[in-house]
Amino acid sequence: EIVLTQSPATLSLSPGERATLSCRASQSVSSYLAWYQQKPGQAPRLLIYDASDRATGIPARFSGSGSGTDFTLTISSLEPEDFAVYYCQQRSNWPLTFGGGTKVDIK
Amino acid sequence: EVQLLESGGGLVQPGGSLRLSCAASGFTFSSYAMSWVRQAPGKGLEWVSATSGSGGSTYYAGSVKGRFTTSRDNPKNTLYLQMNSLRAEDTAVYYCAREGTGYTDSHFDYWGQGTLVTVSS
Repeated sequence: EIVLTQSPATLSLSPGERATLSCRASQSVSSYLAWYQQKPGQAPRLLIYDASDRATGIPARFSGSGSGTDFTLTISSLEPEDFAVYYCQQRSNWPLTFGGGTKVDIK
Repeated sequence: EVQLLESGGGLVQPGGSLRLSCAASGFTFSSYAMSWVRQAPGKGLEWVSATSGSGGSTYYAGSVKGRFTTSRDNPKNTLYLQMNSLRAEDTAVYYCAREGTGYTDSHFDYWGQGTLVTVSS
């Protein structure tokens, strides 16, 4: 099973700041990595798939990069609605797995 | 508009059974693989199972294999999760999710609102 390790666990930032979230895989997942945003009481929402492709309707301030074992989700300038938990997910190998999440909260 | 609506959650005793349903609309259901993903209270996401568009192929997480069965009724646009021999650790919100590529090994582009399953005596 591929283990995805997200860091940091919590990121405390102010609106307008840049957020950089990391996801590291225990073995190569090529570019088969997605990122999701989840707010309290809501279902996850797909942000990025295949490492760097933005999902439909996702603002350009969200970008993804990386391949192999190291991936990054960047939010260029945090908006108030961006404070949430973010998860990465790999689809390279069965079982499909998720990272443990990074919470972005307001400083 | 793609919509996924889960139902069937509730309180069940350890060792009991429950069947979840996910009603899909807004897309050609049979053209997409579907998955179940769960989230224990206050915890992260865990993929549970996937089924191909035809229903001919199914995949399960090790934690539920042999206890859970995924099926689908394409004419009814409905996905099911039959859960048997339930344990306390199965307590979670269960989401159905559409596989974005159409195939089983995918990211999830649409999610339902979830249904809560509580396993407790």
